[in-house]
Amino acid sequence: DQQVKQNSPSLSVQEGRISILNCDYTNSMFDYFLWYKKYPAEGPTFLISISSIKDKNEDGRFTVFLNKSAKHLSLHIVPSQPGDSAVYFCAASAMTGTASKLTFGTGTRLQVTL
Amino acid sequence: DTAVSQTPKYLVTQMGNDKSIKCEQNLGHDTMYWYKQDSKKFLKIMFSYNNKELIINETVPNRFSPKSPDKAHLNLHINSLELGDSAVYFCASSQGGTSRKTQYFGPGTRLLVL
Repeated sequence: DQQVKQNSPSLSVQEGRISILNCDYTNSMFDYFLWYKKYPAEGPTFLISISSIKDKNEDGRFTVFLNKSAKHLSLHIVPSQPGDSAVYFCAASAMTGTASKLTFGTGTRLQVTL
Repeated sequence: DTAVSQTPKYLVTQMGNDKSIKCEQNLGHDTMYWYKQDSKKFLKIMFSYNNKELIINETVPNRFSPKSPDKAHLNLHINSLELGDSAVYFCASSQGGTSRKTQYFGPGTRLLVL
């Protein structure tokens, strides 16, 4: 049962343009959402997050939008740079007892071309 | 000054063997995690320890046994390895066991069972 879905396995964007990565979730108990970035042979690194009480969070070139009614979030990168080429994982969190658990999507591979 | 380190980075072994993967973090965090990324790229949590206490234990075969000798270490021992155990195993750590705390990942251990 895949509770977090990233339906686009890959995305190619030209340098300087906007990259939009999408993520859908099914579990209404999720109340915190994160994006992680992963380079080959490395572990995922945290990029940006958003609480369910907000609909937008911005950090430099990265903005995450949350649409709770649609159970959809997106990551916007503008302008895209070649160093942004990586796999981006969407993750969602819900409390489990005294701990919380991250549920990850399968990732979207972003390639930023010159 | 690696924040979260894992050893070994690569592990090739035969079915039926027992192997261990070690994880250490020097961030002073109190919570550590093991994740498994399978061939379909799903990144799923297996275990989480907070102050050496098990707080998350997903549906994982009991051939997998985590051990946390102290807050800075979380090891994963796997008995009677099976072909399906082939995956990339990531260790992570955070300060606190809630999702609001960023999880820092190690580089992963690539396990191949022949």
